[in-house]
Amino acid sequence: GNSVTQMEGPVTLSEEAFLTINCTYTATGYPSLFWYVQYPGEGLQLLLKATKADDKGSNKGFEATYRKETTSFHLEKGSVQVSDSAVYFCALEGNTGRRALTFGSGTRLQVQP
Amino acid sequence: DVKVTQSSRYLVKRTGEKVFLECVQDMDHENMFWYRQDPGLGLRLIYFSYDVKMKEKGDIPEGYSVSREKKERFSLILESASTNQTSMYLCASRSGTGGGYTFGSGTRLTVV
Repeated sequence: GNSVTQMEGPVTLSEEAFLTINCTYTATGYPSLFWYVQYPGEGLQLLLKATKADDKGSNKGFEATYRKETTSFHLEKGSVQVSDSAVYFCALEGNTGRRALTFGSGTRLQVQP
Repeated sequence: DVKVTQSSRYLVKRTGEKVFLECVQDMDHENMFWYRQDPGLGLRLIYFSYDVKMKEKGDIPEGYSVSREKKERFSLILESASTNQTSMYLCASRSGTGGGYTFGSGTRLTVV
């Protein structure tokens, strides 16, 4: 079945530091890949997505590239802000069989001023 | 603004009670989903529905059932609540033709 593995947190960074959160996946076929973000006390929001190999998703300074050869979709941001403190979830949706999101375990990011 | 509304933000129930978690969407979406969120485990799919009166088991359906009598409403039922069902429950919906998922704000259920 489908699965997503992402790096454990928490990740603690200083403001303006570079961020990488690793995500790898296992899936049959050609899944779509997503990053969701959950700010404290709020619901889940789509951050970015990519639907085919070599696509780059981007939003709010965050980027992730769909790498089929390494089955990865790592999240990056060049300069984090305190307001980026949240929990980040990597997810996939397969293009065969069940059409539902499969999530990773989540990575908590804390950015200190 | 399109919405997925979960009826309760916080809920406390006793062991053995029958518990109903309600989810309503106003987007005319065909597909609806129930997940539970636990620290270190992410979101896990409990049940989903592709259309009215349809339901499919997700990855962790044991101890749960669902009801979808109307398109806009998808109810999660805990037949006999247990302490290991203490969790955050998230509902989501999406169009049957694809597109993005919209999530509700969640119901934090505590079973004592």
